[in-house]
Amino acid sequence: DAKTTQPPSMDCAEGRAANLPCNHSTISGNEYVYWYRQIHSQGPQYIIHGLKNNETNEMASLIITEDRKSSTLILPHATLRDTAVYYCIAAAFHASKLTFGTGTRLQVTL
Amino acid sequence: GAVVSQHPSWVICKSGTSVKIECRSLDFQATTMFWYRQFPKQSLMLMATSNEGSKATYEQGVEKDKFLINHASLTLSTLTVTSAHPEDSSFYICSAPLPGSPLHFGNGTRLTVT
Repeated sequence: DAKTTQPPSMDCAEGRAANLPCNHSTISGNEYVYWYRQIHSQGPQYIIHGLKNNETNEMASLIITEDRKSSTLILPHATLRDTAVYYCIAAAFHASKLTFGTGTRLQVTL
Repeated sequence: GAVVSQHPSWVICKSGTSVKIECRSLDFQATTMFWYRQFPKQSLMLMATSNEGSKATYEQGVEKDKFLINHASLTLSTLTVTSAHPEDSSFYICSAPLPGSPLHFGNGTRLTVT
């Protein structure tokens, strides 16, 4: 899996959009960008994934740059329940094994 | 709903005893499952791959005699921490690949060894 780099922490006001960046400059052509989050004392939760097109689901949007060297996860209206560690992972399509980096600790505040 | 179930969610045991953690795939079969360990304020680290009907494969530095893995059926893998010590206290998480879907994880087991 290609290495990813994320800021260690971010703050976001409740109701505002949370934009979480991720660098994956060595991503290979067949690797997807996956985002998971881990709320305290729970297992990782899948959020979204994409290859090169922007993606949106009920949880978030994923914006991938044209050169695929970086991406941004957008939580459009963050709530307190979105406080978690967010992991960006570059991996093969629906890889059965994932390598986690240190992630971004997102703190949503009132 | 959850597709991977872990039990127990937390356990406290005395030093020197063994503790078993179960990981079940719900409504699908998993020939492989994965066990991760997470120390406080650290990321998940893969410990081992559980293979149905054959031996587990362990990551470098993980003691196979201490962390016994049994994948006796296509829906159940167990991790037994043998002769547990306080340094084994950690958050243990399993995952199981559901074909055609992103990897799903259990909700983890918090092990505290006193």
